[in-house]
Amino acid sequence: DTEVTQTPKHLVMGMTNKKSLKCEQHMGHRAMYWYKQKAKKPPELMFVYSYEKLSINESVPSRFSPECPNSSLLNLHLHALQPEDSALYLCASSQVGSAEQYFGPGTRLTVT
Amino acid sequence: KQEVTQIPAALSVPEGENLVLNCSFTDSAIYNLQWFRQDPGKGLTSLLLIQSSQREQTSGRLNASLDKSSGRSTLYIAASQPGDSATYLCAVQGGSEKLVFGKGTKLTVNP
Repeated sequence: DTEVTQTPKHLVMGMTNKKSLKCEQHMGHRAMYWYKQKAKKPPELMFVYSYEKLSINESVPSRFSPECPNSSLLNLHLHALQPEDSALYLCASSQVGSAEQYFGPGTRLTVT
Repeated sequence: KQEVTQIPAALSVPEGENLVLNCSFTDSAIYNLQWFRQDPGKGLTSLLLIQSSQREQTSGRLNASLDKSSGRSTLYIAASQPGDSATYLCAVQGGSEKLVFGKGTKLTVNP
């Protein structure tokens, strides 16, 4: 099973809302990632977790809060977002180190 | 800072044609290079991964090569089909788990 799942598929939220994105994999991968992709642009790395610990934060604003409660699950908590945060949010996983990354289908987020 | 460039930005070909997509990167100190496919509004599908010690990888009609010293990779697609229409992204991995992506090549295969 090489599948990474993400929920929800679509999310519309107001600037005062709090919501969460969820990502799950059962491939035994111990590295998990959040990427943000704007229209017609390549994905940009936001966070990396290795062995359930945050290893890379690409200077992401604090209104995005990642969480890795166990080796299979990755969450992204959203609070007080801005309309410019509207994008496709992609989750990926891999073995730790130099390894192939597997991506989920993404969550299309719209902030109104 | 690693920079990845993909040429051309867009490509339109008739069905059945063989084609080559190009990727170049500025820092040759990479661990691997990965080619992805992305359909509109969808996630990324991994096509091929080439480790820095490898020269090429093949999967079906796809062949990817890597020349690390010159900072170049090519993705060769044989006998293209309309279902191959998508954006193809090249990404390199350096000293951490971070992938640096090119802007992609949008491929259209016309029936």
